[in-house]
Amino acid sequence: DAKTTQPNSMESNEEEPVHLPCNHSTISGTDYIHWYRQLPSQGPEYVIHGLTSNVNNRMASLAIAEDRKSSTLILHRATLRDAAVYYCILRRNNAGNMLTFGGGTRLMVKP
Amino acid sequence: NAGVTQTPKFRVLKTGQSMTLLCAQDMNHEYMYWYRQDPGMGLRLIHYSVGEGTTAKGEVPDGYNVSRLKKQNFLLGLESAAPSQTSVYFCASRRTGRDDTEAFFGQGTRLTVV
Repeated sequence: DAKTTQPNSMESNEEEPVHLPCNHSTISGTDYIHWYRQLPSQGPEYVIHGLTSNVNNRMASLAIAEDRKSSTLILHRATLRDAAVYYCILRRNNAGNMLTFGGGTRLMVKP
Repeated sequence: NAGVTQTPKFRVLKTGQSMTLLCAQDMNHEYMYWYRQDPGMGLRLIHYSVGEGTTAKGEVPDGYNVSRLKKQNFLLGLESAAPSQTSVYFCASRRTGRDDTEAFFGQGTRLTVV
């Protein structure tokens, strides 16, 4: 499976936008880009996913580079509740369709 | 709206004891997964199922067995627990679809083997 590279940690100020980068230079044409987050002592929570085009939902935006070798998760206004580990995952559309988690980025939000 | 429910939430086992973790989902999802998460690490896939009566090995299957006798339930068994199996266990489910779909996770089972 193609791997992703994310910074170990990032800091943000409350109510400011946050851009979380992810590199996936070995992505294949059928790999979906997924983002999940895990709040302390909770299970992972779906954030957003996309294939080629940028995506927006109520939680975040996903910007995908034209060559698909990198993507950025955008939180438009960080809140203290957004402090979590954010996982960028490539998911191949095959039997099982499992998610393979890496180390993720720990986002710290300062008041 | 229960989603994915894991039972129990906490458990302490002695080395060599056995136990079964239960995952139940009420969303009629075809796919179900068991992951483990060690401190400071990402999740690793233990076993998964693509439908009732089918199971398959994931990344770290040794020491675990699974069963999916009913579509809504996915059981994870430890036949002879070892301290190395101390971890937080997460179950997840997702539906099939032409386009990609999101996975829903349970709240986890914290298992300590002493």
